[in-house]
Amino acid sequence: DTAVSQTPKYLVTQMGNDKSIKCEQNLGHDTMYWYKQDSKKFLKIMFSYNNKELIINETVPNRFSPKSPDKAHLNLHINSLELGDSAVYFCASSQEGGQRRRAYEQYFGPGTRLTVT
Amino acid sequence: GNSVTQMEGPVTLSEEAFLTINCTYTATGYPSLFWYVQYPGEGLQLLLKATKADDKGSNKGFEATYRKETTSFHLEKGSVQVSDSAVYFCALLKAAGNKLTFGGGTRVLVKP
Repeated sequence: DTAVSQTPKYLVTQMGNDKSIKCEQNLGHDTMYWYKQDSKKFLKIMFSYNNKELIINETVPNRFSPKSPDKAHLNLHINSLELGDSAVYFCASSQEGGQRRRAYEQYFGPGTRLTVT
Repeated sequence: GNSVTQMEGPVTLSEEAFLTINCTYTATGYPSLFWYVQYPGEGLQLLLKATKADDKGSNKGFEATYRKETTSFHLEKGSVQVSDSAVYFCALLKAAGNKLTFGGGTRVLVKP
């Protein structure tokens, strides 16, 4: 029973192409995230959505556009791919903090390794 | 802003050795603290957590105690196995924004 799943696991494409990565969670969580892990393993948040609404957008180029059709899905579309976009992209989900603003742990997908040539 | 600093790796150990990975953080207020583990070729798994000062998180023989006075959350394991070879990430989470801030990761290699 996969909790957070991503497709594809590997994605190899050429510069200038447009590609999408899909993410689905079956945990019933309200909040989903995209993180980028670079070649040195450094992890940084890109976006977060709560109930299909964008909450966090961390100075990510406009070529990256997240889309959340429902609260169980958060897809990442990337236009005009560049060499520097090569990385592993992780989707994650968590419960929403709610009125008490509690911080809930995040559960991660297996990652999508994107290679731009 | 918030930040997490971990000891740089790689850390190379023999099986059954004692493992410590240092982690210190900078944050206002009272963040929650986490250790995540990434096995080769896999995604991130939550290893343990602590949500308030003096809490001890533990899992799979790993432990970490939330020390507010030293702003630290060091990870320890008394006797490592080859299967513990992985990259370990310390992270903090503030409720506002629910944004995880990660340390740079520490690669651990356990040799038989």
